[in-house]
Amino acid sequence: GDSVTQMEGPVTLSEEAFLTINCTYTATGYPSLFWYVQYPGEGLQLLLKATKADDKGSNKGFEATYRKETTSFHLEKGSVQVSDSAVYFCALSGIKGGSTLGRLYFGRGTQLTVWP
Amino acid sequence: NAGVTQTPKFRVLKTGQSMTLLCAQDMNHEYMYWYRQDPGMGLRLIHYSVGEGTTAKGEVPDGYNVSRLKKQNFLLGLESAAPSQTSVYFCASNLVGTDYGYTFGSGTRLTVV
Repeated sequence: GDSVTQMEGPVTLSEEAFLTINCTYTATGYPSLFWYVQYPGEGLQLLLKATKADDKGSNKGFEATYRKETTSFHLEKGSVQVSDSAVYFCALSGIKGGSTLGRLYFGRGTQLTVWP
Repeated sequence: NAGVTQTPKFRVLKTGQSMTLLCAQDMNHEYMYWYRQDPGMGLRLIHYSVGEGTTAKGEVPDGYNVSRLKKQNFLLGLESAAPSQTSVYFCASNLVGTDYGYTFGSGTRLTVV
């Protein structure tokens, strides 16, 4: 079935460091891919998304490219800030036209801590 | 625009007590979901609904019941709470076609003692 695997954390970085959080997926067809962010004590918020191969989603300095050939959607940011400390979740949608349409499948989340 | 609202935000229950968590959305979304979040386990789907009057089981439905009598509300019930149900519960909703992603509530932190 559809699933997402993301790198285990926690990830600890100094401010202005480069960030990569790996995410790979297994799915039939061509799902849409998402990154969600959860700040302490809050619910999840959509950070960025990509709906087809080679699309790049971007928001708040974060980027991720939908790579069909490697079934990946890695999250990157060139220079992290203390305010980026949060848990990041990769997710994929159920395939269009399938019985799971409407469902998102989440990875386990990666805790990021950024130190000043 | 309130989005997805969960009540209560915090609750402490004794083992064996019952309670209902309420999720309300004002975006006219068809689909609604209940997840629990535990350390190291990510998000696990409890139950979901694809429309008013319909519900379906997710990955971890045991010990929970749900109802969707109105399109805007999705209720999660615990009939006899157990310490294993100590968790943070999140409700989410979305329109048909997940390219829009989910909108999440801010969560309910439940402790069962």
